[in-house]
Amino acid sequence: EVQLLESGGGLVQPGGSLRLSCAASGFTFSTYAMSWVRQAPGKGLEWVSVINDSGSSIYYVDSVKGRFTISRDNSKNTLYLQLNSLRAEDTAVYYCLASFDYWGQGTLVSVSS
Amino acid sequence: EIVMTQSPATLSVSPGERATLSCRASQTVSSDLAWYQQKPGQAPRLLIYGASTRATGIPVRFSGSGSGTEFTLTISSLQSEDFAVYYCLQYKNWPWTFGQGTRVEFK
Repeated sequence: EVQLLESGGGLVQPGGSLRLSCAASGFTFSTYAMSWVRQAPGKGLEWVSVINDSGSSIYYVDSVKGRFTISRDNSKNTLYLQLNSLRAEDTAVYYCLASFDYWGQGTLVSVSS
Repeated sequence: EIVMTQSPATLSVSPGERATLSCRASQTVSSDLAWYQQKPGQAPRLLIYGASTRATGIPVRFSGSGSGTEFTLTISSLQSEDFAVYYCLQYKNWPWTFGQGTRVEFK
């Protein structure tokens, strides 16, 4: 059974940092491109970032460029997202996504003073 | 960036009726188009990929069609569990982009 388990969310002040993790199991993690997608409260889905299977290609949505960093450790079957210089508008549930197939249950990031 | 536009924003349907949801891309995405269903408090669930291929375990009442810039998701006979928000996603080019969603509600 495919499982994606996100962790690391929480309440943080504007300008703060968080590191999200996504532990994967049930599929060959090292062969999948992995993404982070977020959903602000009551809003639609927004793709945030992707990293290819080897980690050699990375893309970000413009609104997070220079602030967020995606990475992966194929030896640990884990995807990461480092969130720096957080803003109120980054408040959302963050999902990890394997290719376009499999979704985690999400972790909530709240940015507020 | 490819802009995905879904219509209508809200669709009011009675159980047993047919529902037709549309998704338009600002430039061609070939058949690199997926549809998702999301219920409150849950992660999205993949319904259709490759514009027309049902994902594993998805009932046959869900069907997808289209290519290029115009796509349709059809639910042939709406069941109570189908009331949800539906999103399209293009995965042709980075950044991947979602439509804004169509809410299917009880009429």
